Amino acid sequence: NAGVTQTPKFQVLKTGQSMTLQCAQDMNHNSMYWYRQDPGMGLRLIYYSASEGTTDKGEVPNGYNVSRLNKREFSLRLESAAPSQTSVYFCASSERAGGHNSPLHFGNGTRLTVT
Amino acid sequence: GENVEQHPSTLSVQEGDSAVIKCTYSDSASNYFPWYKQELGKRPQLIIDIRSNVGEKKDQRIAVTLNKTAKHFSLHITETQPEDSAVYFCAASNTGTASKLTFGTGTRLQVTL
Repeated sequence: NAGVTQTPKFQVLKTGQSMTLQCAQDMNHNSMYWYRQDPGMGLRLIYYSASEGTTDKGEVPNGYNVSRLNKREFSLRLESAAPSQTSVYFCASSERAGGHNSPLHFGNGTRLTVT
Repeated sequence: GENVEQHPSTLSVQEGDSAVIKCTYSDSASNYFPWYKQELGKRPQLIIDIRSNVGEKKDQRIAVTLNKTAKHFSLHITETQPEDSAVYFCAASNTGTASKLTFGTGTRLQVTL
């Protein structure tokens, strides 16, 4: 039981390049989330998926897109990376559908640097 | 939307002392208040949560208190140990369909020997 698995762990991009962050969970959770973590700003929600087949914007969605491929997988895509997207990205899941009020299980994070 | 403020941003205590971290929230409809611990270079992990139908919850050396009238909640760690050194995040959300979990900006706790 691996929990929430994110790939890659580290990535360096040049401005304008694109990439996809992958996330998978094996806990049969209904909801999945993408957060970014910047120094002094806590965790900010980018996008979430309250159930398979649905996605919604969070607090900071600009410059990102997501896909809930199936119940297990939720990917985050940067179409044209900008230095402002340099951050640590965390994927998370929770058991409840639409559950922003149930415990989150986080992946180990992806450290992204955009030069 | 919800706004969560967390204080202090850094806290240093001696081993064995108690540590208290405080958070305030703005949305009176918020009813779920989790606390996450993040060790250096690691992922955040839930350590305790409380819902608005209770005023206090304990789990060994950790306790959380909630004052709905004042819209604040606090994390209390007693008999601190070096392994308690980490960044702690509070958060708040409600059960509405448009609800989001909003995090505080974190408290870096350092437990010194």
